Amino acid sequence: QQQVKQSPQSLIVQKGGISIINCAYENTAFDYFPWYQQFPGKGPALLIAIRPDVSEKKEGRFTISFNKSAKQFSLHIMDSQPGDSATYFCAAENTGGFKTIFGAGTRLFVKA
Amino acid sequence: DVKVTQSSRYLVKRTGEKVFLECVQDMDHENMFWYRQDPGLGLRLIYFSYDVKMKEKGDIPEGYSVSREKKERFSLILESASTNQTSMYLCASSFEGGIAREQYFGPGTRLTVT
Repeated sequence: QQQVKQSPQSLIVQKGGISIINCAYENTAFDYFPWYQQFPGKGPALLIAIRPDVSEKKEGRFTISFNKSAKQFSLHIMDSQPGDSATYFCAAENTGGFKTIFGAGTRLFVKA
Repeated sequence: DVKVTQSSRYLVKRTGEKVFLECVQDMDHENMFWYRQDPGLGLRLIYFSYDVKMKEKGDIPEGYSVSREKKERFSLILESASTNQTSMYLCASSFEGGIAREQYFGPGTRLTVT
């Protein structure tokens, strides 16, 4: 019930391509879905987040697609750049509580 | 600019030692968290605190304790370090209230227990 399943574990994309990372959750009480980006040697930092009352949120090259009925959400990185190479974590939380449940992470490598 | 600092980037300890990991945030955040990060497992919550002297167990509290005597400081204590506690430890803080629930992370402490 508390898990967030993330795939793939690792991803290699050509520069200019689209990177897609998928996550699925089980607990319907989750109402906030952030994505965090982590560069080597740094802590994760919030990239973009969505609430389940919208199906899509876009910020620059980053888009979250949200499917409430399927309990799935995904991160799309358009025109992927080598500087996007990082580990990405999806997460879910119930804003009435304190816990954030993180996915296992996806290591993205964008080839120049 | 929010800053979360952790006392050490790298730490090597022996089995059975008592280990203290310190975390300080400078944004007057109410909430503070300790996670451990292991490959393939993501971030797992050890303990969190929503106020001074308040603490709540996360998903994997066994073998750990915490202390929050001041609002800006949250300490993680390994009472008797074991090799299975070798990991990256991340501290985070967040503001209570508002719409956003962004957590601000420190750079992490890579702990090796030999």
